[in-house]
Amino acid sequence: ETGVTQTPRHLVMGMTNKKSLKCEQHLGHNAMYWYKQSAKKPLELMFVYNFKEQTENNSVPSRFSPECPNSSHLFLHLHTLQPEDSALYLCASSHAQAVMDYEQYFGPGTRLTVT
Amino acid sequence: GESVGLHLPTLSVQEGDNSIINCAYSNSASDYFIWYKQESGKGPQFIIDIRSNMDKRQGQRVTVLLNKTVKHLSLQIAATQPGDSAVYFCAEMRTNFGNEKLTFGTGTRLTIIP
Repeated sequence: ETGVTQTPRHLVMGMTNKKSLKCEQHLGHNAMYWYKQSAKKPLELMFVYNFKEQTENNSVPSRFSPECPNSSHLFLHLHTLQPEDSALYLCASSHAQAVMDYEQYFGPGTRLTVT
Repeated sequence: GESVGLHLPTLSVQEGDNSIINCAYSNSASDYFIWYKQESGKGPQFIIDIRSNMDKRQGQRVTVLLNKTVKHLSLQIAATQPGDSAVYFCAEMRTNFGNEKLTFGTGTRLTIIP
């Protein structure tokens, strides 16, 4: 256990559905991240939040909408997704970027399949 | 553009032998490097990191070597065990204070043969 939990672990959704992914960290971190992991590709950073403020949007399509209500919780709202969005979505947390401790702790991921 | 790559996508090692996983990076401004291990069905797990002011760092059964001259990073795992079977990722970061992002490689799948 890394102290970062993600729900659900698996999700199958149609292209017209709306769903949300949830991430929670119990490590006292102030930075949280969403990554997309596709087969045979490097992890792709999607969003970064520092102290609940979004500091990075890596050109992610608007059908992905993040939300960070507090430093312990991070959501990824999904709507009108495409089949190519099927992937493992990983959440991570770390100390705030002003602290020179760069290790990111990852959750187990949500395996998303878009049909 | 920046890239972080691994020399081999797969590596098989006999149990008990040592393994070496290599990684090349292209950005000479990178000053922080980290290795992650990802087992099936799990998220990446931190193994070891190294800053650019060092060329070697050791952990428990693992050693990371950094060669800044040729922009090369390696992970050595001593006396491999079945539990070492996983995908290993290197990642690099430019610690520009306030804009630190990890850039990951594609990963090497290590298989330990009993």
